[in-house]
Amino acid sequence: DTAVSQTPKYLVTQMGNDKSIKCEQNLGHDTMYWYKQDSKKFLKIMFSYNNKELIINETVPNRFSPKSPDKAHLNLHINSLELGDSAVYFCASSQERRRLYSGNTIYFGEGSWLTVV
Amino acid sequence: RKEVEQDPGPFNVPEGATVAFNCTYSNSASQSFFWYRQDCRKEPKLLMSVYSSGNEDGRFTAQLNRASQYISLLIRDSKLSDSATYLCVVTDFSGGYNKLIFGAGTRLAVHP
Repeated sequence: DTAVSQTPKYLVTQMGNDKSIKCEQNLGHDTMYWYKQDSKKFLKIMFSYNNKELIINETVPNRFSPKSPDKAHLNLHINSLELGDSAVYFCASSQERRRLYSGNTIYFGEGSWLTVV
Repeated sequence: RKEVEQDPGPFNVPEGATVAFNCTYSNSASQSFFWYRQDCRKEPKLLMSVYSSGNEDGRFTAQLNRASQYISLLIRDSKLSDSATYLCVVTDFSGGYNKLIFGAGTRLAVHP
């Protein structure tokens, strides 16, 4: 039973293409996130949704558009892919949006390895 | 200055060794602190939270110094299975919502 599942796990695509990564959580959490881990291994938040509402939107190019059809799903669509978009994208979820503490931590999906060629 | 700074390592240690990782953070308003573990090509997973008074979980001990904005993780009696990247994580409360700020991680390699 995977708590946070994302697909595809590996994606190789050409520059200029549009692609989507899907994420689903079965933990009953209200808050979901997209994180990006680049080649330097920094894990940075991109977006966060709470009950389908966008609550965190970091400085991310407009080519990235998250969509949350319901609180258990948060998809990431990327338009006009660029070489610099190559990274690992992690979906995550947590119970509460306002506080992250020991009893309310984030659970990550296994990651989606995106390679733009 | 990076928000969370860690020595990238790698730390190469023999089994049974004691190893310590350090981390500094820039935001004095950070409220919660964690150590995550990330295995190669896997997702990060919570190792332990870090409390002001210091806390221990088996072979792992975490310490927090708010005045110095410094966090540490001590691993005693290292096992081969401890080989991974250890991520120092702090929370940033902005705009009414918390988010996790990750360090780049310290890589640990435990050898026989």
